[in-house]
Amino acid sequence: EAQVTQNPRYLITVTGKKLTVTCSQNMNHEYMSWYRQDPGLGLRQIYYSMNVEVTDKGDVPEGYKVSRKEKRNFPLILESPSPNQTSLYFCASSLRPMTGSNHEQYFGPGTRLTVT
Amino acid sequence: GNSVTQMEGPVTLSEEAFLTINCTYTATGYPSLFWYVQYPGEGLQLLLKATKADDKGSNKGFEATYRKETTSFHLEKGSVQVSDSAVYFCALIHSGGGYQKVTFGTGTKLQVIP
Repeated sequence: EAQVTQNPRYLITVTGKKLTVTCSQNMNHEYMSWYRQDPGLGLRQIYYSMNVEVTDKGDVPEGYKVSRKEKRNFPLILESPSPNQTSLYFCASSLRPMTGSNHEQYFGPGTRLTVT
Repeated sequence: GNSVTQMEGPVTLSEEAFLTINCTYTATGYPSLFWYVQYPGEGLQLLLKATKADDKGSNKGFEATYRKETTSFHLEKGSVQVSDSAVYFCALIHSGGGYQKVTFGTGTKLQVIP
């Protein structure tokens, strides 16, 4: 089954404790992206990757890191989480960037992160 | 920068009523436009899309037309059902020169009552 998976689905952690949220897709998609969803703000793009070893900042990259060493995986790293990073996080992927007809993004189920 | 503005919700309609959710955008060039739907506790699903001016996207009775002259992409449905209750997001993708950035609106919650 074609899908985007994220782990963990729920995480409660404390300020400053490094964490990684994993994202994996099995559709051989080139483009992957991370978003955070906050009430009243919709989804905001954190980082995206056009292909392996190619990543770039979205609108809200501060406090986050990403890497894209393999095509299928795109982990989100919070080196020193803070309470303002409490949010619902979504990973998404699409077949091929720069092509209008292939812009459809497939979303993972979300990771709810709470930082105390 | 790019931006997407959606009408404030929540929108409450009776079953079989006509739905319009307004969406306007600001972007340079020719972005692709999308509507996504999010059901409670789930991720986002693509509802429809349009990749150039005057294109009409449609799916499951929903429609939206890419209007460059008014920079709008309003979502419409002629007769809503209780199962359409969800949050709807308008989004644009702007790409060029080796980048591709996605901008979402804030979302509009739709509640359909029997």
